[in-house]
Amino acid sequence: DARVTQTPRHKVTEMGQEVTMRCQPILGHNTVFWYRQTMMQGLELLAYFRNRAPLDDSGMPKDRFSAEMPDATLATLKIQPSEPRDSAVYFCASGSLAGSVGTQYFGPGTRLLVL
Amino acid sequence: AQSVTQLDSQVPVFEEAPVELRCNYSSSVSVYLFWYVQYPNQGLQLLLKYLSGSTLVKGINGFEAEFNKSQTSFHLRKPSVHISDTAEYFCAVSEGTGGFKTIFGAGTRLFVKA
Repeated sequence: DARVTQTPRHKVTEMGQEVTMRCQPILGHNTVFWYRQTMMQGLELLAYFRNRAPLDDSGMPKDRFSAEMPDATLATLKIQPSEPRDSAVYFCASGSLAGSVGTQYFGPGTRLLVL
Repeated sequence: AQSVTQLDSQVPVFEEAPVELRCNYSSSVSVYLFWYVQYPNQGLQLLLKYLSGSTLVKGINGFEAEFNKSQTSFHLRKPSVHISDTAEYFCAVSEGTGGFKTIFGAGTRLFVKA
């Protein structure tokens, strides 16, 4: 049963520290998304990649957030420096234009708390 | 620009009763429409989707949705809910051009009471 995996599942850090979240998309999926979920803002698209190239990162605060795909099996989202307002659940999702068109497969999320 | 409006933030319902979760969208192009479900402490998972063809779409767990182009709606229904259906439900839309960028609604929390 293919799944998107995310690490870590939980992260508590202090303001100013760097946070790195990792995502392993489903093998063969060529599109990867990063979302942030909070009670106030709901589910927000931060960035997404196709074939490892960034297609849209307009939802991401550029001064502190960065997203990359070093290879087809790993996507990373970094926050440096972190702030309390970054506390949220961060989801990675992957999908493929072949097969199940349009469907995104979500990971379990990384729950981030910045103190 | 696309947008999605879920008309109810919370829907309480008794077990075995029918339920409808409402969703309206706006878009200037043809769209794909989705309903996702999120159980506590989990990621979202697909319930059903409309790409083209029949406007009545059946999904997992007994849910179905009807695409109404004239009313720009995609309401989700289930004739008889179970306690286990308690979750958050998200309506979503993406442009029907083969792209993937998807806009999600704010979510509707379905609470099924015994």
